[in-house]
Amino acid sequence: ETGVTQTPRHLVMGMTNKKSLKCEQHLGHNAMYWYKQSAKKPLELMFVYNFKEQTENNSVPSRFSPECPNSSHLFLHLHTLQPEDSALYLCASSQSRGSGALNEQFFGPGTRLTVL
Amino acid sequence: AQSVTQPDIHITVSEGASLELRCNYSYGATPYLFWYVQSPGQGLQLLLKYFSGDTLVQGIKGFEAEFKRSQSSFNLRKPSVHWSDAAEYFCAVGALEGGKLIFGQGTELSVKP
Repeated sequence: ETGVTQTPRHLVMGMTNKKSLKCEQHLGHNAMYWYKQSAKKPLELMFVYNFKEQTENNSVPSRFSPECPNSSHLFLHLHTLQPEDSALYLCASSQSRGSGALNEQFFGPGTRLTVL
Repeated sequence: AQSVTQPDIHITVSEGASLELRCNYSYGATPYLFWYVQSPGQGLQLLLKYFSGDTLVQGIKGFEAEFKRSQSSFNLRKPSVHWSDAAEYFCAVGALEGGKLIFGQGTELSVKP
């Protein structure tokens, strides 16, 4: 595998289900990101992890719970979601240099989530 | 506040015609600027980036962009569009802190045969 991979690619879940999205990067990067992409809206940054530490949480509801066990893996645990949470969830990684310089991000293909 | 504006939500061009997608940014220092492309159902792919130096940047797939500090712009261009260029294009600026990218709302490109 190369680049950034995400599984599953598609997920349909009920509002009472619990599921997890997985992201893995094979680029040796030390920063990982979760984005939400809804139709007709700009990309929304949800969470940022630098060196496995969460450095940003953009007022994301607690029904979304991220986990970063190491620099290569990132999870998004989902529970009691709402239909408006249906979206494409994108994972990205970058080589953080602290000050934000050269912060080119590499994206995975996304997980298309539908909440019924 | 840092922000990125892509004034055109949707653009349609004929195959073989030239293309220019507009991007304006608001940033407090020398920006790091990016253009990404997203095909339907896919993630974002980096087309090109500007960090410093030559203000005309070449990217993949025949795209280029020009950084104009006086106009706070970073417009994307291609001399001759191919049908496979139909996609959504995102301009982004590197934020001052934390390695974040701030994205514009995107421009959807349609290509007529």
